[in-house]
Amino acid sequence: GAGVSQSPSNKVTEKGKDVELRCDPISGHTALYWYRQSLGQGLEFLIYFQGNSAPDKSGLPSDRFSAERTGGSVSTLTIQRTQQEDSAVYLCASSPRTGGAYEQYFGPGTRLTVT
Amino acid sequence: KQEVTQIPAALSVPEGENLVLNCSFTDSAIYNLQWFRQDPGKGLTSLLLIQSSQREQTSGRLNASLDKSSGRSTLYIAASQPGDSATYLCAVGSSARQLTFGSGTQLTVLP
Repeated sequence: GAGVSQSPSNKVTEKGKDVELRCDPISGHTALYWYRQSLGQGLEFLIYFQGNSAPDKSGLPSDRFSAERTGGSVSTLTIQRTQQEDSAVYLCASSPRTGGAYEQYFGPGTRLTVT
Repeated sequence: KQEVTQIPAALSVPEGENLVLNCSFTDSAIYNLQWFRQDPGKGLTSLLLIQSSQREQTSGRLNASLDKSSGRSTLYIAASQPGDSATYLCAVGSSARQLTFGSGTQLTVLP
């Protein structure tokens, strides 16, 4: 079946602009995660959604970052007033449920470049 | 705070060799451990998931072990091939919500 998809694959934006990154999880997966991969920081957790529960936003680096998940499926990560340090690959993952028995499946990522 | 370390950072081997990649973590209270591979410019491909109650998992030429008490996992690759060249990432599930990643081992298998 179809895997996790993300769009756009690449995004170049000017400093100070807002950007939206989209994630389509695997159908039926109730858990959705956003991670960021940058040269200096490696792979780091940003935010997590599980069903209709309140999201775990503990990994968001600043209040310029926000995310929503509509209808328990598609998710959008929004970065306001982008800065050069926001340049990274943003990865989305989904899993059937939370818990130790469930793998996270990753999308191909969105490469964000802030000029 | 969970910290995950992978050694070595880079490894180059001739085709056909068996090899071991190492992963260590600081907090043994984990849900699971997952090994991924990442090809240049690509996302992550899940290789193996070991639940906290398990000692090892096998898939084809890959075998991953988990020793929670010592905070270690190894990924064993048998009969390596050039197509195995990639970055291998170890990720620890310290809660049901997120994975903590190591910095990876960049593997090159020479034909």
